[in-house]
Amino acid sequence: GQQLNQSPQSMFIQEGEDVSMNCTSSSIFNTWLWYKQDPGEGPVLLIALYKAGELTSNGRLTAQFGITRKDSFLNISASIPSDVGIYFCAGQLGPGGYNKLIFGAGTRLAVHP
Amino acid sequence: GAGVSQSPRYKVAKRGQDVALRCDPISGHVSLFWYQQALGQGPEFLTYFQNEAQLDKSGLPSDRFFAERPEGSVSTLKIQRTQQEDSAVYLCASSAAGGYTFGSGTRLTVV
Repeated sequence: GQQLNQSPQSMFIQEGEDVSMNCTSSSIFNTWLWYKQDPGEGPVLLIALYKAGELTSNGRLTAQFGITRKDSFLNISASIPSDVGIYFCAGQLGPGGYNKLIFGAGTRLAVHP
Repeated sequence: GAGVSQSPRYKVAKRGQDVALRCDPISGHVSLFWYQQALGQGPEFLTYFQNEAQLDKSGLPSDRFFAERPEGSVSTLKIQRTQQEDSAVYLCASSAAGGYTFGSGTRLTVV
């Protein structure tokens, strides 16, 4: 079945550093999404990407939809302690809320003050 | 309601017991999804409803898993004769035309 490879698995950084994580797939997706999950909570959407090559920002977060439609990256600039959590990429075959998501295994981010 | 509500938050079941997990989606959301999240993994798709119709159940791991949404709002995921490998967080999500909203999940531990 479809699988997403997300890397790195975990990161330990100092407050103020920039962070980069990425996701690759053997299959093409029409939508890429990035989520953050805090302990005991469900994933919360950070950024959605709908077009190959699209670069989108949300505050300190920037994400890009790869040209091949098989990859995406997420950057976090000037990290702060509340950025701690697990970040998931997810691919979707179609836009909107009518299609299932395929998730990566997550990147666990720890931020040291 | 304002968000997706799941109950119970935690469930401990003895091996072989049946369990029922409830999801209250956002009012008016047509689509409802169930995902299973094993420890240290990303969520994996189980099943999808559009209103009361179960349009995709390809992710259900065995015939011990059953989901329903009889009136197109509240949904129940039932697991019969639970086994240790069923231990996971079960997430429900609902959506309209836009993106998903996930609930906080039910953590199921089978002992």
